Amino acid sequence: QVQLVQSGAEVKKPGASVKVSCKASGYTFTGYYLHWVRQAPGQGLEWMGWINPNSGGTNYAQKFQGWVTMTRDTSITTAYMELSRLRSDDTAVYYCARGAEVGKRDGMDVWGQGTTVTVSS
Amino acid sequence: DIVMTQSPDSLAVSLGERATINCKSSQSVLSSSNNENCLAWYQQKPGQPPKLLIYWASTRKSGVPDRFSGSGSGTDFTLTISSLQAEDVAVYYCQQYYSPPITFGQGTRLEI
Repeated sequence: QVQLVQSGAEVKKPGASVKVSCKASGYTFTGYYLHWVRQAPGQGLEWMGWINPNSGGTNYAQKFQGWVTMTRDTSITTAYMELSRLRSDDTAVYYCARGAEVGKRDGMDVWGQGTTVTVSS
Repeated sequence: DIVMTQSPDSLAVSLGERATINCKSSQSVLSSSNNENCLAWYQQKPGQPPKLLIYWASTRKSGVPDRFSGSGSGTDFTLTISSLQAEDVAVYYCQQYYSPPITFGQGTRLEI
């Protein structure tokens, strides 16, 4: 079945970087956009950006430009999200989610289980 | 950016009764390429990732109970749960995917 499995929880100090992975299975990895969405404790959903796993092209929310890097390794059907210069308000659950087929628009139909990132000194 | 505003922020409905959640976008999300609205609804239960319920404003995802329905066009949308079940207690989000940045409503907490 279609599945996204994320890496485990992380605890980081302010100023550090974190890299979260998202392993895809059960579908053609290069055929669908892969989004990253975060959710701070008790808060709503915040879209960070997407990666086109076929081309490696990305589209980041303006807030995260220069600060987030989304990459992928097609040989192991895994996407990565790296966030640098972490602050305490980056403490959140980070989700990857499958989006539309490349070149199309659609909702996010499959989600990873989430990765909790805690930023604390 | 397209701002998505949901109402109400929270809602208490009795079991078996109808629940209605509204979502308004700051600009139209109607796609001219297919004449469909780029609007999705998600359900999120505590400790779980969001779950896609509805896309293209009114298309129910396979496996979603038919008590969930979506309606609306342009800038005004509604998620309706026709007969509330205990397992429907959750936070519901609307989302536009018409243009980046993709944006979500603030969420509506549904309680019994």
